[in-house]
Amino acid sequence: EIVLTQSPGTLSLSPGERATLSCRASQSVSSTYLAWYQQEPGQAPRLLIYGASSRATGIPDRFSGSGSGTDFSLTISRLEPEDFAVYYCHHYGSSPGTFGQGTKVEIK
Amino acid sequence: EVQLVQSGAEVKKPGESLKISCKGSGYSFTNYWIGWVRQMPGKGLEWMGIIYPGDSDTKYSPSFQGQVTISADRSISTAYLQWSTLKASDTAMYYCARPPRGNYWYFDLWGRGTLVTVSS
Repeated sequence: EIVLTQSPGTLSLSPGERATLSCRASQSVSSTYLAWYQQEPGQAPRLLIYGASSRATGIPDRFSGSGSGTDFSLTISRLEPEDFAVYYCHHYGSSPGTFGQGTKVEIK
Repeated sequence: EVQLVQSGAEVKKPGESLKISCKGSGYSFTNYWIGWVRQMPGKGLEWMGIIYPGDSDTKYSPSFQGQVTISADRSISTAYLQWSTLKASDTAMYYCARPPRGNYWYFDLWGRGTLVTVSS
């Protein structure tokens, strides 16, 4: 089972700033099978990125994903007020799928 | 509208059984996998398992194998997650989620969740 470790646990930033979130896999994974989700309080998760770098339908282009092997990242180019939330990476290349523990992006 | 509609919140006692549901609509239910994800209070997401309603092929995370049963009824486009003996540690929000068609199991469609509370 692949373990995903996200860092940092919490990111304190101001609106307009750039956010970079990290997701490290315990072994090399195909970038085809790495996704990112956003979860706002009291809401179900929402798919942002799949295949490491493909934006899901309706996701603004300020969200971008990159990476390969064991190191992946999600970048939010300029934080909007609605972007302050928790973000999870997800490996789905095999059963079981696994999620990272999450990174909370909070308002500084 | 393509959606997953989950059953309502449940309050149960330890030792009781429970079956929660997830009804798919607006798409061909038998042609898409449906997964279940647990979120304990204040915690992260955990992948529990996934089922293909077309042939009931089911895969479980080792963490949940033997603890829950995932099933589906194609005739009413509904997937289920059930427990035979609930524990207080089963208290959580449970989401069903659907990947796109095929074998790429990222979740692009989510239900709103079912809150399960197990308390004596």
